[in-house]
Amino acid sequence: QVQLVESGGGLVKPGGSLRLSCVASGFTFSDYYMSWIRQAPGKGLEWVSYISSSGSTIYYADSVKGRFTISRDNAKNSLYLQMNSLRVEDTAVYYCARGRGGNSGWDYWGQGTLVTVSS
Amino acid sequence: QSALTQPASVSGSPGQSITISCTGTSSDVGVYNYVSWYQQHPGKAPQLMIYKVSNRPSGVPDRFSGSKSGNTASLTISGLQAEDEADYYCSSYTTSSTPVFGGGTKLTVL
Repeated sequence: QVQLVESGGGLVKPGGSLRLSCVASGFTFSDYYMSWIRQAPGKGLEWVSYISSSGSTIYYADSVKGRFTISRDNAKNSLYLQMNSLRVEDTAVYYCARGRGGNSGWDYWGQGTLVTVSS
Repeated sequence: QSALTQPASVSGSPGQSITISCTGTSSDVGVYNYVSWYQQHPGKAPQLMIYKVSNRPSGVPDRFSGSKSGNTASLTISGLQAEDEADYYCSSYTTSSTPVFGGGTKLTVL
């Protein structure tokens, strides 16, 4: 069965960095677009970034552009999010999600990893 | 890209039908049939309920249906059940080649 398992979250000071990972199993990872989507405590969902199946196409939300970098290693069935210059407002649960294809949403989500940015 | 507009809350009694609206613009909902809906129970990851406006993934009950008119998409849940109580989010692809979410709607089953 499809599984997405995130890791790498934790407590970091403003201005710090963190690298999130998402390991996929149960499907051919290299065939799918992947996204990072976050949810601040008590708030709604916010799309963060997506990467195409080959890694050649990448987009970011304006709120993270220039600070976050998405990448993937298809040989390791893994998705990453390098987060630099973290701000208090980046505090959220970060989900990795599989793109359903054709811009038609995300059909599988991980359980999420909590990132807390605080001094 | 501004968030899509959803009502903050809706409620209904068991067995009734409710509809949640999702209003966007001619740069997202109005121009693409790439609207999806997600259900999220407290402490859980979101689950895809509807994709491409009105399509249900396998395993989603046919009580859930989606539609779109102009810049507004809608999710209808008929025969409301207690387990439908959750937060619901819409999402749409946009002319910026990025997706956008709605602010979310809390459904209360009375």
